[in-house]
Amino acid sequence: GEDVEQSLFLSVREGDSSVINCTYTDSSSTYLYWYKQEPGAGLQLLTYIFSNMDMKQDQRLTVLLNKKDKHLSLRIADTQTGDSAIYFCAERPYNDMRFGAGTRLTVKP
Amino acid sequence: NAGVTQTPKFQVLKTGQSMTLQCAQDMNHNSMYWYRQDPGMGLRLIYYSASEGTTDKGEVPNGYNVSRLNKREFSLRLESAAPSQTSVYFCASGGSINNEQFFGPGTRLTVL
Repeated sequence: GEDVEQSLFLSVREGDSSVINCTYTDSSSTYLYWYKQEPGAGLQLLTYIFSNMDMKQDQRLTVLLNKKDKHLSLRIADTQTGDSAIYFCAERPYNDMRFGAGTRLTVKP
Repeated sequence: NAGVTQTPKFQVLKTGQSMTLQCAQDMNHNSMYWYRQDPGMGLRLIYYSASEGTTDKGEVPNGYNVSRLNKREFSLRLESAAPSQTSVYFCASGGSINNEQFFGPGTRLTVL
């Protein structure tokens, strides 16, 4: 399809790991991104991965990239209540950036 | 550095009214963007400006116009607002290192 696809909802317990999945569309995207949006705020860049990498780790965040399947995932270890937000994956094949619909992560205490 | 600023934060319009959403960035970025965010649809690009003096249509440009006034400022105008334009509008500017985008806080617009 033409859209960047993500599941809309994910609920986890505090302390568990969260895995948010994304399927993107264009294999020419040089970078792939994860953005976080907290209530009432704009999007903030959380992390990104260069397309020639398979994995990137940044503290509690691990990004996995499967270029063959055009699949991107974000793993948050030891998820905290402050991680509750909407997470968007995005690709940038040309001048514009294409976003998924966002995954709403709810962390229960 | 303020980053990307947007005004106003909230606006209510009646159908047919016009208004301009303002956006400014202080990061010396060449690229600027306007998106709208609707529930369950992610962000959709309305217009973008790759550099001062240029603008291009995005995915959903109908009903909007833009002006890249200078390198810092990129405004979005609704000439005759319609209820379908009720949305949250985000301005962004483009970094050059990783092609990432930096977002403003958004404008929540309601058209009655």
